[in-house]
Amino acid sequence: DAGVTQSPTHLIKTRGQQVTLRCSPKSGHDTVSWYQQALGQGPQFIFQYYEEEERQRGNFPDRFSGHQFPNYSSELNVNALLLGDSALYLCASSLGDSGGNTIYFGEGSWLTVV
Amino acid sequence: AQSVAQPEDQVNVAEGNPLTVKCTYSVSGNPYLFWYVQYPNRGLQFLLKYITGDNLVKGSYGFEAEFNKSQTSFHLKKPSALVSDSALYFCAVRDGYAGKSTFGDGTTLTVKP
Repeated sequence: DAGVTQSPTHLIKTRGQQVTLRCSPKSGHDTVSWYQQALGQGPQFIFQYYEEEERQRGNFPDRFSGHQFPNYSSELNVNALLLGDSALYLCASSLGDSGGNTIYFGEGSWLTVV
Repeated sequence: AQSVAQPEDQVNVAEGNPLTVKCTYSVSGNPYLFWYVQYPNRGLQFLLKYITGDNLVKGSYGFEAEFNKSQTSFHLKKPSALVSDSALYFCAVRDGYAGKSTFGDGTTLTVKP
């Protein structure tokens, strides 16, 4: 049973560039959330996708956008990268969007902006 | 708004001793509470959750957590710590509508032989 998979695992970008991160949810899951984890902090909610729509969004600027595909996989796009965007980006999946559902995390994508 | 506080940045225990990692929360409705563990350079692994019912929840690797509504707490416990339990632990809360999970800043647990 495949868990949540993310790619790439590590990447380095220059300020002002754009980046796309990818996520495949755990088998059978239809809901995907993205989190940003800066060094020494807990994960911060970016947004959640369910039925190919953004259902809820955290306090992140419009530079952060996403998409969910019919097969439930998802992408996170960040435009006009800033040094402060350097972080571990975590994808999490669940079955349905009910509050009591457990979300399972991938290993993350480490983004370094130089 | 919902929030989580993990008042201890670091918890140190000796192997074989009981451990407690503290968590308090604030949420407007009924809380859904979760504990996750993170090993270095890895993602978060689910340990256990409280949805409703029995206040003592049992989870993976011998961990358990006690929900206390009056104290708005959800402390993680283990009767006998192992060196391999050393890791970063996160408490998270969600209200009745899913989507956003709010995490604490984490507690580093170190178990010494």
